[in-house]
This record gives sequence, C-alpha cells and structure tokens, in this order.
Amino acid sequence: AQSVAQPEDQVNVAEGNPLTVKCTYSVSGNPYLFWYVQYPNRGLQFLLKYITGDNLVKGSYGFEAEFNKSQTSFHLKKPSALVSDSALYFCAVRDNPTGGFKTIFGAGTRLFVKA
Amino acid sequence: DVKVTQSSRYLVKRTGEKVFLECVQDMDHENMFWYRQDPGLGLRLIYFSYDVKMKEKGDIPEGYSVSREKKERFSLILESASTNQTSMYLCASSLTGAYGYTFGSGTRLTVV
Repeated sequence: AQSVAQPEDQVNVAEGNPLTVKCTYSVSGNPYLFWYVQYPNRGLQFLLKYITGDNLVKGSYGFEAEFNKSQTSFHLKKPSALVSDSALYFCAVRDNPTGGFKTIFGAGTRLFVKA
Repeated sequence: DVKVTQSSRYLVKRTGEKVFLECVQDMDHENMFWYRQDPGLGLRLIYFSYDVKMKEKGDIPEGYSVSREKKERFSLILESASTNQTSMYLCASSLTGAYGYTFGSGTRLTVV
C-alpha cells in the first residue's frame, strides 16, 4: 500500500534563509510525487510534481524538490524564504500504475517564516 | 485556468440530517475526488470518480455516498450527518494521473 510521511509538524525559518520541508514515501511501483500549499483560509494549490526524468524539479513561487529514489524522499526546498511562504505544505504520492488515480497525502507541515 | 467550485463555504447542519455537498469543475476533467481535511491527519480520500456514473471508494467511505450524473459535477452526500463528520471537505479534479489536482476552496461543515 502506498503511504507518505512528513516527519515535521512545523518548520521555522528566518526570512532569507534556505528552507527544507521533508517528505518520504512508500509505493510498490514507480511514484508520481506532488507538493501542494495551503494558505490560510484557502484551498490547496499545486506547487510541483515529479513524474520522470531529472531528479530536481522546479515549481511555482521559486520552490523546487529533489527526488531521491534510494532514500524514497521528495524534499521541498527554497533557497531564500519569504514571510509570504508561511503556509501549510502537503506532500502527496500516487502509485503508478497500480495506484490508479488515487493520491495519498501526508499530514502536512506548517512552515513559519519569521521576518 | 481550471476552476473547481464548491457550492458552500460554510455549512452548519443538525445530527441526522441528510447533507449534500456540491462540486463543479469547468475544464472537462474525467477525474474528480472528495477529501476531508482534519488537523494532524492531512487529507483523507472519501470517494473518487474517473467517469460519469462511475465511483470508487477511497479510504474512509463509511457514512458517505457520491453521485456523478454529469461529467462536471460530483456530489458528496452524508446520509445521516454525525458530529464526527464535522470537518473541512475538499473537492478536486484532474485530467489524468500524471497531472496535479485542482482543488476547490473547501466547505467547512459543522454538525451540531
């Protein structure tokens, strides 16, 4: 069965510093991996995805994520955090092809960026 | 841009009521999903549909049913609302498995 773990409930970082939000996954096939962001009182927004190819994928708002097959990880990164990046971040995985269209989400990591 | 619209932003219902949550998408997506979001639990899949009149159970279907009579509309039904169904309900749609989801703004349901 597919699963995804976000080991940190909360990440605190100072504005201008690099940030990392961690995600590990478990699937039986080749994973489709996603990051979503939820700003206060808003729905989830798609940030980026890994399907195949280059292990480093770039997404919206300057975010990027690195797929590491041996460590089964897909950490979200940004070189320089902004206060406006403060939000709830969800990692998600879809098991291709056996998982069909079913996507499993992590519990979420709340990011606080302090000015 | 794809738009997913959920009919209500906030809803308060009484225990035992039948509750309908409506979701409409405007980009001809085959796949639609209902999740509930609870603090510390993330998003949990209730039901999904990959075609009109088709539905599949997710991880927590008990107490819920769905209807998809038209491609653009996917309804979630709480047959007899209970207090443990108080939650944020999120509808999403996607084109294929390789695409990310587009989510609606959510419906915060309170059952009293």
